Amino acid sequence: NAGVMQNPRHLVRRRGQEARLRCSPMKGHSHVYWYRQLPEEGLKFMVYLQKENIIDESGMPKERFSAEFPKEGPSILRIQQVVRGDSAAYFCASSPGWANEKLFFGSGTQLSVL
Amino acid sequence: RKEVEQDPGPFNVPEGATVAFNCTYSNSASQSFFWYRQDCRKEPKLLMSVYSSGNEDGRFTAQLNRASQYISLLIRDSKLSDSATYLCVVYNQGGKLIFGQGTELSVKP
Repeated sequence: NAGVMQNPRHLVRRRGQEARLRCSPMKGHSHVYWYRQLPEEGLKFMVYLQKENIIDESGMPKERFSAEFPKEGPSILRIQQVVRGDSAAYFCASSPGWANEKLFFGSGTQLSVL
Repeated sequence: RKEVEQDPGPFNVPEGATVAFNCTYSNSASQSFFWYRQDCRKEPKLLMSVYSSGNEDGRFTAQLNRASQYISLLIRDSKLSDSATYLCVVYNQGGKLIFGQGTELSVKP
């Protein structure tokens, strides 16, 4: 009974490249959240998705960042033209339904931009 | 003003000490409250929920004061294994958890 799976665990990109972070929610969960944790800071909400829908993207930077959760396959957080300031830990969490306060977190992806 | 604010820390305490963390939140419509624990920037893990009546889990006691919009966590008889960052978390309408910046605890022998 796998938990929330994120890959890769570590991702190194050079400035200007694209980063794709993947998150497979727990079995039976249809809601996914992405959080970002910058060095020395707390977790900041980025986006909340349901299958094929973006519910709340109020925490997403206006440019270069996008997220999707297709009908089939994992949720993807995509960062285009990465900059050094994008270096952070990106955590995904899932829940079984709408507005369910019990979130299950993945182990995170550590993105390092050179 | 941040939605959730915590003591900045770090807290350095000897084994066996009692330590208290404080947290305030700005949204009076917040519905649920939690303390999470994070080790070495790994994924946060739920430590305990916080109820208005107060709740206890072994050496850990959590309190909520809705009128003051204040949450606390008390750890008694600190162990080395309690060393971690403690995150105050609030669940708001619209279905998302809002995290405080965390308070680092270091328990020394």
